Amino acid sequence: NAGVMQNPRHLVRRRGQEARLRCSPMKGHSHVYWYRQLPEEGLKFMVYLQKENIIDESGMPKERFSAEFPKEGPSILRIQQVVRGDSAAYFCASSPGVAGNTIYFGEGSWLTVV
Amino acid sequence: AQSVTQLGSHVSVSEGALVLLRCNYSSSVPPYLFWYVQYPNQGLQLLLKYTTGATLVKGINGFEAEFKKSETSFHLTKPSAHMSDAAEYFCAVSDDDDMRFGAGTRLTVKP
Repeated sequence: NAGVMQNPRHLVRRRGQEARLRCSPMKGHSHVYWYRQLPEEGLKFMVYLQKENIIDESGMPKERFSAEFPKEGPSILRIQQVVRGDSAAYFCASSPGVAGNTIYFGEGSWLTVV
Repeated sequence: AQSVTQLGSHVSVSEGALVLLRCNYSSSVPPYLFWYVQYPNQGLQLLLKYTTGATLVKGINGFEAEFKKSETSFHLTKPSAHMSDAAEYFCAVSDDDDMRFGAGTRLTVKP
């Protein structure tokens, strides 16, 4: 039973390029969360999605960031026109969606903007 | 909305000493509480969680945490630290199916 799968694990982008991070939730999980972890900082909530719906995007920067979780396929976190400050580890997690259920994390995607 | 405060971004203990990592939460409804551990360059792994029932929760690797409603706390403890416990620890609260994390506490274990 595969866990939460994220790819790529490491991504290097030049300033101004686009970064796309993918997350496949665990089998049977319909809820996906994205978190960002900056160096020496904690885990910051970005967005919470169910299939085809954004439930809570209160942690998403207002510009350049977007997320989707289509009916088919992985969840995508998209960062347009990346800047150096976007360099971070981006973690995806999934859960079945029942209150109190554990959420399971992927191994993370490390974005470096040069 | 729920939130979590972890007191102390860095905690250092000697091998064999007591580990105490502090977590306080705020929630408008009875919360679900979690502790996760993160080793370098890895994702987070669940240590333990409180949903209902017994307020003292035992987790993996000898860790346990006690839910104290009157203090809105969920501190993580381990009687005797091991070198392999060195990691980052995150407390989290969920009052529905959303989950929010504290800023994390980095535990260092000295030989």
